[in-house]
Amino acid sequence: GAVVSQHPSWVICKSGTSVKIECRSLDFQATTMFWYRQFPKQSLMLMATSNEGSKATYEQGVEKDKFLINHASLTLSTLTVTSAHPEDSSFYICSARDPMTSESSYEQYFGPGTRLTVT
Amino acid sequence: AQTVTQSQPEMSVQEAETVTLSCTYDTSESNYYLFWYKQPPSRQMILVIRQEAYKQQNATENRFSVNFQKAAKSFSLKISDSQLGDTAMYFCAFSAGAGSYQLTFGKGTKLSVIP
Repeated sequence: GAVVSQHPSWVICKSGTSVKIECRSLDFQATTMFWYRQFPKQSLMLMATSNEGSKATYEQGVEKDKFLINHASLTLSTLTVTSAHPEDSSFYICSARDPMTSESSYEQYFGPGTRLTVT
Repeated sequence: AQTVTQSQPEMSVQEAETVTLSCTYDTSESNYYLFWYKQPPSRQMILVIRQEAYKQQNATENRFSVNFQKAAKSFSLKISDSQLGDTAMYFCAFSAGAGSYQLTFGKGTKLSVIP
């Protein structure tokens, strides 16, 4: 159980265009999802916390107008990178907590990640 | 704010041997959660082991065990009988608990298991 998927796994887009990344919890309802960014050979940096039905909470330094997050249902959160530029190229990872198990464990279940390349 | 420090950027171990990865953290919370996650070349994050701060007993999961020293704010991971499949980045992570579900990650340790 507790499987999280991401789509697409890899995307190339042209500078100035927007790209949407989907994060789905496949076998549980995720009230909270998280979006991370990971540069090569570096750790995960939390970008934002997404709660179903409410606005996302962004970490300091993350542009909310550039990285649009929508958590419209209990199984789906989306990250849209607007007007992408080469410096937005990175590996984006989502995670989700299952309130049925995470309440006591505080564990997050991670998606496989999306590699974004902006040319 | 919480911080997590992994002081070993890279480590290597011979297959079948034992290796210990270090992690220290800083927090003013009294109850919290600590995790070790593994990120193999596929880049999928995999939970290795979890420790609740209020539990004095060190967590174990098969070949993986931790040495949790709450007073010293230390949380090391021991891998016994290392296998080639253990080759990965290992991240130590902290969650403050009390309804805060965010994870703070260390910078990671790249572990290579040598045949």
